[in-house]
Amino acid sequence: TQLLEQSPQFLSIQEGENLTVYCNSSSVFSSLQWYRQEPGEGPVLLVTVVTGGEVKKLKRLTFQFGDARKDSSLHITAAQPGDTGLYLCAGANTNAGKSTFGDGTTLTVKP
Amino acid sequence: DAMVIQNPRYQVTQFGKPVTLSCSQTLNHNVMYWYQQKSSQAPKLLFHYYDKDFNNEADTPDNFQSRRPNTSFCFLDIRSPGLGDAAMYLCATSRGLSPYEQYFGPGTRLTVT
Repeated sequence: TQLLEQSPQFLSIQEGENLTVYCNSSSVFSSLQWYRQEPGEGPVLLVTVVTGGEVKKLKRLTFQFGDARKDSSLHITAAQPGDTGLYLCAGANTNAGKSTFGDGTTLTVKP
Repeated sequence: DAMVIQNPRYQVTQFGKPVTLSCSQTLNHNVMYWYQQKSSQAPKLLFHYYDKDFNNEADTPDNFQSRRPNTSFCFLDIRSPGLGDAAMYLCATSRGLSPYEQYFGPGTRLTVT
């Protein structure tokens, strides 16, 4: 069973601060997705990373895939209250035929 | 222009009374998934269909069944809901099994009384 560990589990910060969320595994993934989920809604896909060392930017969000494709990070610059939500990473392995979700990071950004 | 639709958004059922949750998609994706999610935890995969091929997770209770009559629709049947089955149920789709980008519906919140 492939496991994905996310840290921190909970994060509460003030508007304008920067933060980084980590997603780590001992397994190699063919691709990795990041999702954001707001209370009472389904997860929304933010990004997919495929290549080791890949960096993708989505406005104030920067996603990085580890060189060995075992880990990933999400960095948010100047967080805003609208960034509040549950951030989930999901690692995919072609052989497994499905994705493994991390336990999520609950982010609260206070105005 | 909703792409993955789940009905109802909220469902209340009685202990032991069968309940069906529905999901439809306008994306024409091959794969449809059902997840169970409890209080801000990670979604837990119950099963998925690749076209008509059904794939059950090893730890999914027999109490949970699924049907996919056509590409657009997929149903989750809970034959005898217990109190522990109260959760958010998420339907998701993907174009194939790689690169595993999944598109989720808004979920159905199930309450068991």
